[in-house]
Amino acid sequence: KAGVTQTPRYLIKTRGQQVTLSCSPISGHRSVSWYQQTPGQGLQFLFEYFSETQRNKGNFPGRFSGRQFSNSRSEMNVSTLELGDSALYLCASSLGQNSIGNTIYFGEGSWLTVV
Amino acid sequence: AQKITQTQPGMFVQEKEAVTLDCTYDTSDPSYGLFWYKQPSSGEMIFLIYQGSYDQQNATEGRYSLNFQKARKSANLVISASQLGDSAMYFCAMSYTLSGSGYSTLTFGKGTMLLVSP
Repeated sequence: KAGVTQTPRYLIKTRGQQVTLSCSPISGHRSVSWYQQTPGQGLQFLFEYFSETQRNKGNFPGRFSGRQFSNSRSEMNVSTLELGDSALYLCASSLGQNSIGNTIYFGEGSWLTVV
Repeated sequence: AQKITQTQPGMFVQEKEAVTLDCTYDTSDPSYGLFWYKQPSSGEMIFLIYQGSYDQQNATEGRYSLNFQKARKSANLVISASQLGDSAMYFCAMSYTLSGSGYSTLTFGKGTMLLVSP
């Protein structure tokens, strides 16, 4: 079956612009979470959605937002981009409500460069 | 606070040899899950193996096995018969329940870069 699909894979944006990243989870998975990965900070949790509801949010400014649709697809948006937002953004999906006991699968990531 | 520690920034191994990547974790919760992921330079985070805190036996998936020592709070990944394609970054991660919310989240270690030489 198809894995977690993220689009676009690579993008370059200018400071001050906004960006939207998309994630399609594995079929049947209802939980989607997003992570930011940078060389300096490593992997940091952004937010998690389950059945269209944001259940958990990491320590990121309000410029970072997300949503989940009824088909479990998710988008994240970053407004007023800063150079420090350059990162690999990873989306993950899992079957159930609780990741303890459920395998979490990641996508290939979206590489964002802000210039 | 929940934490994952990977003390080996880099590891070198020759092809066909076995290698152990270290991971220790810190949590006071009785229920948690431990994951290992492989991340090649392309960026994709590839799931390798999972161990639940209540699982009695060590998890195995093909050439990967997880050496789970609960009392020591360690969850080392063992790769048998290394292959050139195993060269990548390896992350240990733990899922745990956030206090107050009842929901779980995943925390990662800083990773170990494994290089397999011919």
